[in-house]
Amino acid sequence: GQNIDQPTEMTATEGAIVQINCTYQTSGFNGLFWYQQHAGEAPTFLSYNVLDGLEEKGRFSSFLSRSKGYSYLLLKELQMKDSASYLCAVRDSNYQLIWGAGTKLIIKP
Amino acid sequence: DTGVSQNPRHKITKRGQNVTFRCDPISEHNRLYWYRQTLGQGPEFLTYFQNEAQLEKSRLLSDRFSAERPKGSFSTLEIQRTEQGDSAMYLCASSLLRTEGDYEQYFGPGTRLTVT
Repeated sequence: GQNIDQPTEMTATEGAIVQINCTYQTSGFNGLFWYQQHAGEAPTFLSYNVLDGLEEKGRFSSFLSRSKGYSYLLLKELQMKDSASYLCAVRDSNYQLIWGAGTKLIIKP
Repeated sequence: DTGVSQNPRHKITKRGQNVTFRCDPISEHNRLYWYRQTLGQGPEFLTYFQNEAQLEKSRLLSDRFSAERPKGSFSTLEIQRTEQGDSAMYLCASSLLRTEGDYEQYFGPGTRLTVT
């Protein structure tokens, strides 16, 4: 079966750094996406990885290791507005997105 | 373009009634997706269109659900004989399929359905 695993909830302090991990087992791989979703709102696109390595975009970076079926999202200089759920999604061999349940990130002052 | 829009934003209906939701994608996007999301879960794929063709429908989708995209622009999702288990947020997303592949999906604000 297809499976995406990420922690249910994480807590971090304003100004700090947090790493949200995602492991996956899917039928094929055609890219991994990270989305941010604030409560009651739609997901918004953060990053896309298809090759191994680190993609940096401002305060957010995403890493991929295809051989390990592993990715992480790194958030630096945390701000209160970063409190949200972070969804990991893998595009499988049928080009469908398989979604994780999301990691709820709580930022404390 | 203002992005993906969905109507209505909220719908409360009684069990057994039919409901229809509309999605207007980003105008140049040729792919349109419907998802369902419940609290604490990621989006669950329902179906998707490439232009006006419905290319895939989830095995989890019962015959009470139907979707159309008649002119390859907006899409409608209809749920017949609603059940309490249909209560969820229904999300629409669109993307642009290019020759080099399909990239990120852009989501609308969703329609929250409550079946009483």
